[in-house]
Amino acid sequence: ETGVTQSPTHLIKTRGQQVTLRCSSQSGHNTVSWYQQALGQGPQFIFQYYREEENGRGNFPPRFSGLQFPNYSSELNVNALELDDSALYLCASSDGTFENYEQYFGPGTRLTVT
Amino acid sequence: RKEVEQDPGPFNVPEGATVAFNCTYSNSASQSFFWYRQDCRKEPKLLMSVYSSGNEDGRFTAQLNRASQYISLLIRDSKLSDSATYLCVVNPMNTGFQKLVFGTGTRLLVSP
Repeated sequence: ETGVTQSPTHLIKTRGQQVTLRCSSQSGHNTVSWYQQALGQGPQFIFQYYREEENGRGNFPPRFSGLQFPNYSSELNVNALELDDSALYLCASSDGTFENYEQYFGPGTRLTVT
Repeated sequence: RKEVEQDPGPFNVPEGATVAFNCTYSNSASQSFFWYRQDCRKEPKLLMSVYSSGNEDGRFTAQLNRASQYISLLIRDSKLSDSATYLCVVNPMNTGFQKLVFGTGTRLLVSP
């Protein structure tokens, strides 16, 4: 086990609603990255938090936002949900050093938007 | 052109077979490469990091060819438990942060 936890495991929301997903990083890791994985695709990078600040973002609209807390846990918020937001949302933690880019994933949150 | 490209498969092999997957990447500045394994409806799990000229871990061997910008994964003596999707992953290194770019994955099915 990686020690990365996510909650909830499953979620069903209606189009237009808002959702918050949570992630606890592995002990000793100060960096959390979020990914979206649609069915049959590889994970797509959403953004990354390092020491409570967003330090990188992928091609996702501003309605995808996040936070990182002093204990390095993190939240992903999605506003105005769309049907295409249905996916597995993965968070990954890493130690933030430039010598080691290995990232360890949590079990994911499966979001269904109806 | 996609940043990371893989043959989606599926690769159907019998137990005990040797199977190889290739992956190409478009960013020549990339420095870090990985293979992750993903079981159905589960999270990706780091299988191997691939640095410099490649490395080996038991039945698994990863190779890196920088000149041709491709990475390979060789699995020897396939087991039923090797059935999974194998994701080729690259860190582009030109972003200033730890972004991973994933291929769509290659599905492996090992049969008795």
